[in-house]
Amino acid sequence: DGGITQSPKYLFRKEGQNVTLSCEQNLNHDAMYWYRQDPGQGLRLIYYSQIVNDFQKGDIAEGYSVSREKKESFPLTVTSAQKNPTAFYLCASSMSPGMDTEAFFGQGTRLTVV
Amino acid sequence: GENVEQHPSTLSVQEGDSAVIKCTYSDSASNYFPWYKQELGKRPQLIIDIRSNVGEKKDQRIAVTLNKTAKHFSLHITETQPEDSAVYFCAAIITGGGNKLTFGTGTQLKVEL
Repeated sequence: DGGITQSPKYLFRKEGQNVTLSCEQNLNHDAMYWYRQDPGQGLRLIYYSQIVNDFQKGDIAEGYSVSREKKESFPLTVTSAQKNPTAFYLCASSMSPGMDTEAFFGQGTRLTVV
Repeated sequence: GENVEQHPSTLSVQEGDSAVIKCTYSDSASNYFPWYKQELGKRPQLIIDIRSNVGEKKDQRIAVTLNKTAKHFSLHITETQPEDSAVYFCAAIITGGGNKLTFGTGTQLKVEL
């Protein structure tokens, strides 16, 4: 535990609202990622950032937005454009910008739309 | 598109038997292949990884093999124990427009007593 922290652990959102999930790491890692986990679909990449002030879309970026203004922070905003936002969201970081080193995961945020 | 396929989706073995999980990838430029274990209610954690300059790597009861020509890699667990029960994910770096750490869909391993 420690090193990479996600908050909150549980989040409830009303339809039509934007919500922001927090991800902070104190590992001095260059790369950070956001994944969505749904039963039977594994971990799907939403956005990733190889270096501060830069980020790229993953495989399912529609309806999400991110920023990387600081090396240690990579917040994810789930917008009202995301049609099926209820899921478990995992943030991760790794030392190498090339992402070819161990990824450390946060404990996750479970988002529920009510 | 570029992806990572993983089989089987569920695997049940008797304690002491071996378990094998297989993955294929489509990006010939991939050079890093990690495996993660996710226990129920916990975050995924790296258990072993392999790079493209080797064909096999072992760590106690866990081994990974890589066949770059066929674009597939496998996880082998020997002498399985109940605590090996978890979801296992393979992954690969998919290049093209940036390096994406892409995961397979996961294998639910159950080790029965």
